[in-house]
Amino acid sequence: ETGVTQSPTHLIKTRGQQVTLRCSSQSGHNTVSWYQQALGQGPQFIFQYYREEENGRGNFPPRFSGLQFPNYSSELNVNALELDDSALYLCASSLAGQGVRNEQYFGPGTRLTVT
Amino acid sequence: RKEVEQDPGPFNVPEGATVAFNCTYSNSASQSFFWYRQDCRKEPKLLMSVYSSGNEDGRFTAQLNRASQYISLLIRDSKLSDSATYLCVVIQGAQKLVFGQGTRLTINP
Repeated sequence: ETGVTQSPTHLIKTRGQQVTLRCSSQSGHNTVSWYQQALGQGPQFIFQYYREEENGRGNFPPRFSGLQFPNYSSELNVNALELDDSALYLCASSLAGQGVRNEQYFGPGTRLTVT
Repeated sequence: RKEVEQDPGPFNVPEGATVAFNCTYSNSASQSFFWYRQDCRKEPKLLMSVYSSGNEDGRFTAQLNRASQYISLLIRDSKLSDSATYLCVVIQGAQKLVFGQGTRLTINP
């Protein structure tokens, strides 16, 4: 196993609500990236956090926001949920630094259903 | 045009066969390349990195062609347990992983 954990595993929310997803990175890793995976598609990059700051963002609206804590764990917050937000949300941890190949290791994901 | 393109399949091959997947990427500045494997309703798992010189890990061989901007994965002597979706992944810029749609592989007994 990768040592990356996510909570909760499943979640059902209503359109318009807000949700917070959590991720604990692998020991020794300092970077967390979040991805959204719709059914039948590859994961799409949402954003990445390094040293508690956003370090890159994909094509997602501002209602997707995040945090990284001093212990490198992270949260993904989504406001004003829409039906299309239903997906598997994956976090991946990695070690950023010179000479590191930046391999990312994924947690088991949180499956979000918006009704 | 998608940043990373893969044939979604599905590929159905008999056990013991050799199967190959290709993947093309559009950004010539892409820095690192990987193959991930994803089982149904599970997270992607790193299968192997892809190096410019090509690399092999047991029955799996990965190749990178920077001039033509494509990556390949070859699986020899396929096993039933190789059935999964194989995701081609390219790193751009700030460690942003760009995934292909994935190629679904089923190995038949």
